[in-house]
Amino acid sequence: EIVMTQSPLSLPVTPGEPASISCRSTQSLLHSSGNTYLNWFLQKPGQSPQLLIYVASNRASGVPDRFSGGGSGTEFTLKISRVEAEDVGIYYCMQGLQTPYTFGQGTKLEIK
Amino acid sequence: QVQLVQSGAEVKKSGASVKVSCKASGYTLGVYWLHWFRQAPGQGLEWMGWLKPDSGATEIAQKFQGRITMTSDTSISTVYMELSRLTPDDTAVYYCTRDWDRRAFDIWGQGTMVAVSS
Repeated sequence: EIVMTQSPLSLPVTPGEPASISCRSTQSLLHSSGNTYLNWFLQKPGQSPQLLIYVASNRASGVPDRFSGGGSGTEFTLKISRVEAEDVGIYYCMQGLQTPYTFGQGTKLEIK
Repeated sequence: QVQLVQSGAEVKKSGASVKVSCKASGYTLGVYWLHWFRQAPGQGLEWMGWLKPDSGATEIAQKFQGRITMTSDTSISTVYMELSRLTPDDTAVYYCTRDWDRRAFDIWGQGTMVAVSS
């Protein structure tokens, strides 16, 4: 089973400031197809998860362009260029390379 | 509007079974894989398995093998997840979600809370 590790676990951010979350996997998420199966989700309080980024760097439909995903192999990053109040919640990375699909512990973003 | 609508909350006793439904609208159910995840109170997300609604093919996480049945009824655009031999550790919110493209889980149901008492 691939283990996913996120940091930090808590992220207080001032509105308008940038934020960054790291995610590391215990093995490369690069598939033979050339796709890297790493997703980012945001779960707002009391809501279902919502997809932000898929295959490491593709922004999902409707996701603001202040969100960006990067990285390769086993090291990945989610960046928010300018945090807004509506961005609060728990951010999860997830590997979709092999089953069982596994998630990081989650990073709780809060507004200062 | 593309959406997945799940059945309502359930309260069960240990040893019982629960069957959660997930109804798709706004797209053809059989085209995409449907996955099930769960989230225990205050915990992270856990993948349970997937179902291809048109063929009935499934893959179940080893942890749940022998306890889960995933089925579909494409005539009413609905998939089902039945979990048997419940214990209090199965208390969680259960989600269905669509794999739109390369594990892009873009549409999620609203979640179904299952509470299991001993």
